[in-house]
Amino acid sequence: QLQLQESGPGLVKPSETLSLTCAVSGGSISISNYYWGWIRQPPGKGLEWIGSFYYSGSTTYYNPSLKSRVTISVDTSKKQFFLKLTSVTAADTAVYYCVRRVDFWSGYPTWGQGILVTVSS
Amino acid sequence: EIVLTQSPATLSLSPGERATLSCRASQSVGSHLAWYQQKAGQAPRLLIYDASNRATGIPARFSGSGSGTDFTLTISSLQPEDFAVYYCQQRTNWPITFGQGTRLEIK
Repeated sequence: QLQLQESGPGLVKPSETLSLTCAVSGGSISISNYYWGWIRQPPGKGLEWIGSFYYSGSTTYYNPSLKSRVTISVDTSKKQFFLKLTSVTAADTAVYYCVRRVDFWSGYPTWGQGILVTVSS
Repeated sequence: EIVLTQSPATLSLSPGERATLSCRASQSVGSHLAWYQQKAGQAPRLLIYDASNRATGIPARFSGSGSGTDFTLTISSLQPEDFAVYYCQQRTNWPITFGQGTRLEIK
């Protein structure tokens, strides 16, 4: 059964770069028909999609609200993918989830447990 | 960007009652709509995908309906474990968007 696990610093200073890793177990990233990505949730608030990549098409999609600051990349040999968010502010404080869905289905059945990242000096 | 509006914001019901949650899209999403349940401190759990298909392991008391711009999640007989926050999500157009959530609380 596929599992996702986020890791990274729990505290980032304002103006610095948030960097997270999602480790994939029980499956491969380099297979067709799946979107992999990141979703975040500020404390007490709703869900915000950050971005996704489609390995088969080597295409990455980003939320326009974050596009100038976000990069999603992948290392298939390590079965990991990554999130980088630059110039963070307190508004970027959130639980960050890595996720996967089948490309022709609407929902995300697979989520990591989430990692809380706090932006504070 | 497609905006999803969920109503009501909060729904207060008793165990055994029927719950009806609504999600309205700012433009047609076809049937590309999903529903999630989220409990405190947990990741969201996919309940319904493609508007009306139950995800693996989801009890039959959960059902989804609708197409185009109007969607409904129905819980036929509320169990104590069903009180949580529910979100809808569309994938028709980038960016993927979520509704703001409906909190289902015990009356």
